[in-house]
Amino acid sequence: NAGVTQTPKFQVLKTGQSMTLQCAQDMNHNSMYWYRQDPGMGLRLIYYSASEGTTDKGEVPNGYNVSRLNKREFSLRLESAAPSQTSVYFCASMTPPYEQYFGPGTRLTVT
Amino acid sequence: KNEVEQSPQNLTAQEGEFITINCSYSVGISALHWLQQHPGGGIVSLFMLSSGKKKHGRLIATINIQEKHSSLHITASHPRDSAVYICAVSSLYNFNKFYFGSGTKLNVKP
Repeated sequence: NAGVTQTPKFQVLKTGQSMTLQCAQDMNHNSMYWYRQDPGMGLRLIYYSASEGTTDKGEVPNGYNVSRLNKREFSLRLESAAPSQTSVYFCASMTPPYEQYFGPGTRLTVT
Repeated sequence: KNEVEQSPQNLTAQEGEFITINCSYSVGISALHWLQQHPGGGIVSLFMLSSGKKKHGRLIATINIQEKHSSLHITASHPRDSAVYICAVSSLYNFNKFYFGSGTKLNVKP
Protein backbone atom coordinates (compact mmCIF):
# COMPACT_ATOMS: atom_id res chain seq x y z
CA ASN A 1 0.00 0.00 0.00
CA ALA A 2 1.29 3.46 -0.91
CA GLY A 3 -0.93 5.13 1.70
CA VAL A 4 -1.55 8.79 0.83
CA THR A 5 0.34 10.19 -2.15
CA GLN A 6 0.60 13.80 -3.26
CA THR A 7 1.95 15.44 -6.38
CA PRO A 8 3.92 17.53 -6.95
CA LYS A 9 6.39 17.62 -4.03
CA PHE A 10 7.59 21.14 -4.86
CA GLN A 11 6.15 23.93 -6.99
CA VAL A 12 7.02 27.55 -7.70
CA LEU A 13 4.30 29.74 -9.18
CA LYS A 14 4.10 33.35 -10.20
CA THR A 15 1.29 35.50 -8.82
CA GLY A 16 -1.87 34.92 -10.84
CA GLN A 17 -0.91 31.48 -12.15
CA SER A 18 -3.13 28.48 -11.47
CA MET A 19 -2.32 24.93 -10.47
CA THR A 20 -3.87 21.76 -9.12
CA LEU A 21 -2.45 19.68 -6.29
CA GLN A 22 -3.30 16.01 -6.58
CA CYS A 23 -3.92 13.59 -3.73
CA ALA A 24 -4.77 9.89 -3.77
CA GLN A 25 -5.24 7.26 -1.06
CA ASP A 26 -5.43 3.50 -1.37
CA MET A 27 -6.81 2.70 2.10
CA ASN A 28 -10.50 2.91 1.14
CA HIS A 29 -10.99 5.84 3.51
CA ASN A 30 -14.24 7.76 3.38
CA SER A 31 -12.93 11.19 4.37
CA MET A 32 -10.18 13.24 2.79
CA TYR A 33 -8.71 16.60 3.81
CA TRP A 34 -6.52 19.42 2.59
CA TYR A 35 -4.48 21.37 5.15
CA ARG A 36 -1.93 24.10 4.95
CA GLN A 37 0.95 24.47 7.38
CA ASP A 38 2.64 27.82 7.96
CA PRO A 39 5.57 28.55 10.29
CA GLY A 40 4.50 29.06 13.90
CA MET A 41 0.94 28.01 13.19
CA GLY A 42 -0.83 24.72 13.49
CA LEU A 43 -2.22 22.85 10.55
CA ARG A 44 -5.28 24.64 9.21
CA LEU A 45 -8.07 22.92 7.32
CA ILE A 46 -8.78 24.29 3.85
CA TYR A 47 -11.48 21.87 2.66
CA TYR A 48 -12.58 18.38 3.43
CA SER A 49 -14.70 15.70 1.85
CA ALA A 50 -16.64 13.40 4.15
CA SER A 51 -17.58 11.06 1.31
CA GLU A 52 -17.41 10.75 -2.45
CA GLY A 53 -19.42 13.54 -4.03
CA THR A 54 -19.40 15.88 -1.03
CA THR A 55 -17.06 18.69 -0.06
CA ASP A 56 -17.15 21.22 2.78
CA LYS A 57 -15.23 24.35 3.64
CA GLY A 58 -12.75 24.36 6.45
CA GLU A 59 -11.12 27.19 8.30
CA VAL A 60 -9.29 28.87 5.39
CA PRO A 61 -11.09 28.09 2.08
CA ASN A 62 -10.73 31.44 0.31
CA GLY A 63 -8.73 31.23 -2.90
CA TYR A 64 -9.07 27.45 -3.21
CA ASN A 65 -11.41 24.97 -4.86
CA VAL A 66 -11.55 21.20 -4.46
CA SER A 67 -12.86 18.18 -6.31
CA ARG A 68 -13.52 14.73 -4.88
CA LEU A 69 -13.09 12.88 -8.13
CA ASN A 70 -13.85 9.45 -6.68
CA LYS A 71 -13.29 7.69 -3.37
CA ARG A 72 -9.51 7.61 -3.93
CA GLU A 73 -8.74 11.09 -5.23
CA PHE A 74 -9.17 14.60 -3.84
CA SER A 75 -7.62 17.55 -5.66
CA LEU A 76 -6.98 21.13 -4.56
CA ARG A 77 -6.96 23.94 -7.12
CA LEU A 78 -5.53 27.42 -6.83
CA GLU A 79 -7.22 29.49 -9.54
CA SER A 80 -5.09 32.63 -9.19
CA ALA A 81 -2.14 32.10 -6.86
CA ALA A 82 -1.16 34.82 -4.39
CA PRO A 83 2.00 35.15 -2.27
CA SER A 84 -0.17 34.56 0.84
CA GLN A 85 -0.72 31.02 -0.45
CA THR A 86 2.97 30.19 -0.06
CA SER A 87 2.84 27.27 2.35
CA VAL A 88 3.25 23.54 2.77
CA TYR A 89 0.11 21.67 1.79
CA PHE A 90 -0.82 18.31 3.28
CA CYS A 91 -3.49 15.93 2.16
CA ALA A 92 -4.86 13.44 4.68
CA SER A 93 -7.42 10.67 4.75
CA MET A 94 -9.36 8.86 7.41
CA THR A 95 -12.42 6.80 8.11
CA PRO A 96 -13.92 8.56 11.15
CA PRO A 97 -13.64 8.31 14.03
CA TYR A 98 -10.15 6.94 13.63
CA GLU A 99 -6.69 8.39 13.05
CA GLN A 100 -5.69 10.45 10.05
CA TYR A 101 -3.03 9.39 7.55
CA PHE A 102 -1.05 12.19 5.96
CA GLY A 103 0.62 12.54 2.59
CA PRO A 104 4.24 13.72 2.29
CA GLY A 105 3.30 17.33 1.61
CA THR A 106 3.70 19.82 -1.24
CA ARG A 107 5.93 22.83 -0.72
CA LEU A 108 4.45 25.72 -2.73
CA THR A 109 6.11 29.07 -3.25
CA VAL A 110 4.26 31.93 -4.95
CA THR A 111 6.43 34.82 -6.09
CA LYS B 1 -8.06 32.18 20.75
CA ASN B 2 -6.44 28.84 19.97
CA GLU B 3 -8.56 25.83 20.73
CA VAL B 4 -5.42 23.73 21.35
CA GLU B 5 -2.39 25.03 23.25
CA GLN B 6 0.88 23.16 23.59
CA SER B 7 3.86 23.72 25.84
CA PRO B 8 6.70 24.11 25.61
CA GLN B 9 7.15 25.41 22.05
CA ASN B 10 10.79 24.31 22.01
CA LEU B 11 12.54 21.71 24.09
CA THR B 12 16.18 20.63 24.17
CA ALA B 13 17.15 17.50 26.08
CA GLN B 14 20.16 15.29 26.59
CA GLU B 15 19.98 11.72 25.41
CA GLY B 16 18.43 9.54 28.10
CA GLU B 17 16.31 12.25 29.70
CA PHE B 18 12.61 11.87 30.46
CA ILE B 19 10.56 14.31 28.38
CA THR B 20 7.06 15.69 28.86
CA ILE B 21 5.06 17.71 26.35
CA ASN B 22 1.75 19.20 27.45
CA CYS B 23 -1.47 19.92 25.58
CA SER B 24 -4.58 21.77 26.75
CA TYR B 25 -7.76 22.18 24.77
CA SER B 26 -10.91 24.21 25.17
CA VAL B 27 -13.48 22.45 22.96
CA GLY B 28 -15.57 19.32 23.29
CA ILE B 29 -13.69 16.42 21.76
CA SER B 30 -14.32 12.93 20.48
CA ALA B 31 -10.61 12.06 20.67
CA LEU B 32 -7.16 13.56 21.14
CA HIS B 33 -4.32 12.75 18.77
CA TRP B 34 -0.56 13.04 19.11
CA LEU B 35 1.32 13.40 15.82
CA GLN B 36 5.01 13.38 15.00
CA GLN B 37 6.54 15.44 12.22
CA HIS B 38 10.14 14.67 11.30
CA PRO B 39 12.52 17.22 9.75
CA GLY B 40 11.75 15.76 6.33
CA GLY B 41 8.20 16.99 6.82
CA GLY B 42 6.15 13.78 6.94
CA ILE B 43 3.45 13.56 9.62
CA VAL B 44 2.55 10.31 11.35
CA SER B 45 -0.01 9.57 14.01
CA LEU B 46 1.45 8.30 17.28
CA PHE B 47 -1.65 7.98 19.45
CA MET B 48 -5.36 8.46 19.40
CA LEU B 49 -6.98 8.45 22.83
CA SER B 50 -10.26 9.43 24.41
CA SER B 51 -9.54 8.39 27.98
CA GLY B 52 -6.80 7.11 30.25
CA LYS B 53 -3.39 6.20 29.00
CA LYS B 54 -1.69 4.50 26.05
CA LYS B 55 1.87 3.23 25.64
CA HIS B 56 3.92 2.40 22.55
CA GLY B 57 7.50 1.46 23.33
CA ARG B 58 9.12 4.47 25.04
CA LEU B 59 6.19 6.78 24.36
CA ILE B 60 3.30 7.24 26.77
CA ALA B 61 0.25 9.44 26.24
CA THR B 62 -2.25 10.35 28.93
CA ILE B 63 -5.45 12.34 28.90
CA ASN B 64 -7.55 13.92 31.65
CA ILE B 65 -10.95 14.65 30.16
CA GLN B 66 -12.20 16.65 33.16
CA GLU B 67 -9.18 18.96 33.07
CA LYS B 68 -9.05 19.02 29.22
CA HIS B 69 -5.37 18.19 29.33
CA SER B 70 -3.06 15.62 27.79
CA SER B 71 0.62 14.82 28.15
CA LEU B 72 3.05 13.01 25.91
CA HIS B 73 6.00 11.42 27.71
CA ILE B 74 9.16 10.04 26.16
CA THR B 75 11.28 7.83 28.38
CA ALA B 76 15.02 7.32 27.77
CA SER B 77 15.03 9.90 24.97
CA HIS B 78 17.22 9.35 21.92
CA PRO B 79 18.43 11.69 19.17
CA ARG B 80 16.11 9.92 16.72
CA ASP B 81 13.19 11.28 18.82
CA SER B 82 14.08 14.78 17.56
CA ALA B 83 10.99 16.00 15.74
CA VAL B 84 7.99 18.29 16.07
CA TYR B 85 5.20 16.80 18.17
CA ILE B 86 1.71 18.03 17.40
CA CYS B 87 -1.38 17.73 19.56
CA ALA B 88 -4.71 17.63 17.73
CA VAL B 89 -8.30 17.10 18.81
CA SER B 90 -11.26 15.94 16.78
CA SER B 91 -14.50 17.76 17.46
CA LEU B 92 -17.21 16.11 19.49
CA TYR B 93 -19.81 17.42 17.00
CA ASN B 94 -18.03 16.66 13.73
CA PHE B 95 -15.52 13.81 13.47
CA ASN B 96 -14.05 15.46 10.39
CA LYS B 97 -13.17 18.70 12.15
CA PHE B 98 -9.76 18.79 13.77
CA TYR B 99 -8.05 21.50 15.78
CA PHE B 100 -4.25 21.46 15.87
CA GLY B 101 -1.70 22.86 18.27
CA SER B 102 1.25 24.73 16.83
CA GLY B 103 3.65 21.96 17.81
CA THR B 104 6.57 21.35 20.17
CA LYS B 105 9.98 21.18 18.55
CA LEU B 106 12.11 18.62 20.38
CA ASN B 107 15.86 18.36 19.96
CA VAL B 108 17.59 15.49 21.74
CA LYS B 109 21.37 15.87 21.90
CA PRO B 110 23.69 12.86 22.08
